[in-house]
Order: sequence, then structure tokens, then C-alpha cells
Amino acid sequence: AQSVTQPDIHITVSEGASLELRCNYSYGATPYLFWYVQSPGQGLQLLLKYFSGDTLVQGIKGFEAEFKRSQSSFNLRKPSVHWSDAAEYFCAVGPSGGYNKLIFGAGTRLAVHP
Amino acid sequence: DVKVTQSSRYLVKRTGEKVFLECVQDMDHENMFWYRQDPGLGLRLIYFSYDVKMKEKGDIPEGYSVSREKKERFSLILESASTNQTSMYLCASSFGTGLYNEQFFGPGTRLTVL
Repeated sequence: AQSVTQPDIHITVSEGASLELRCNYSYGATPYLFWYVQSPGQGLQLLLKYFSGDTLVQGIKGFEAEFKRSQSSFNLRKPSVHWSDAAEYFCAVGPSGGYNKLIFGAGTRLAVHP
Repeated sequence: DVKVTQSSRYLVKRTGEKVFLECVQDMDHENMFWYRQDPGLGLRLIYFSYDVKMKEKGDIPEGYSVSREKKERFSLILESASTNQTSMYLCASSFGTGLYNEQFFGPGTRLTVL
């Protein structure tokens, strides 16, 4: 069955520290992978996506993610976290059954200490 | 910029009421989706639509119905609201053709059923 696992429910980092959010997926073919961010009280905004090609993808707000097929992972990274990065982050994989449907992970909530 | 709007940010209803959640997108997207978001569960697909008057069940359709009479508008209907439908509801849209396309999300409607 197709699924997405985000092992860390809650992560706290200090401002200026590096960040890595983990995402593992189970998918029968080559997946399309996404990271979305949800700021408090807001909808989801796309940070970055991977379809094919270079396995290191750059996104908005200084984020990047690396696709590792052998590990079925698509971890999100940022070298220096800002207080405004405090939010919930969702990893998603698709397509699932056509029509651009996605399967989302449960999310990782990031807190940033000053 | 793509814009997805939802009719209400916050909604309070009573058990047994019929509830309508409206979603409008302005980018002529073919696909539209309704999700509910609950802590620890991520986003779960309720229904989606790939064309006017066309709809498909998602993973948790029980207790919900949808309507898509115009391409830009997708409505979620709770026929008889229950307390276990208290949740955040997110609408999304995407193009339906070509390469796999990202989904664009609205700001969400937080529904409380008393």
C-alpha cells in the first residue's frame, strides 16, 4: 500500500541551527514527492517538489530536499532556521490512483527557540 | 497567482444541521479536492472532482457529499452534522492534464459541531 511516514511529530530547534525533517514513503513506482508548509491558521503552501532528474531540489524560503531512492526517503533540510519557519510541515507522494491525488504524511510541527 | 478561497474561516454548527462549505478557484483548474485535517492524522481526502458534475470518493467519504455545478466551485456538504466532524477542512485544486501538477490550497475552514 502507498503511504508516507514522517517519524517526528514535533521538533524544536534554536534559531540559526540547521534543520532536517524526515520523510519516508512506500510507493510501487517512481514517485512524485512534495513538501508543503502550513503556517498557523493558514492553508498549505508548496515548498518544493521532485518529479525526476537531479535528486537534490531547491525550494522557496531557503529549503532543499534530497530524494534517495535506495532509502525511500525525501528529507527536507535548511542550513539555518529562522523564527518565521515555525510551522507544520507535510510530506506528500503521488500520484495515487490518478487525477493528481496525493497521499500526505501526518506532519511534523516545528518550534523555533530564539 | 492561483487563488483558492473558502467561504468561511470559522464555522460553528449544531448536531443534525446541514452544513455547506464552499470553495472557489480562479485558475480554471480541472481537479478540485476536499480534505479534512486532524492532529496526528495529516490530511485525509474526502472527495475530489475532475470535471464539472464529476466526483469520486476519497478515503473518508462517509457522512459527506459534494457538488460541482461550475468548474470554479466545489462544495462540500455535511447532510447531518455530527460532533465527530469537528475538524479543519481544506480545499485544493490542480490542473488535470500534462505533467503531474501540484495542488493549491485554500486557507481552510475550521468547523466546530456542538
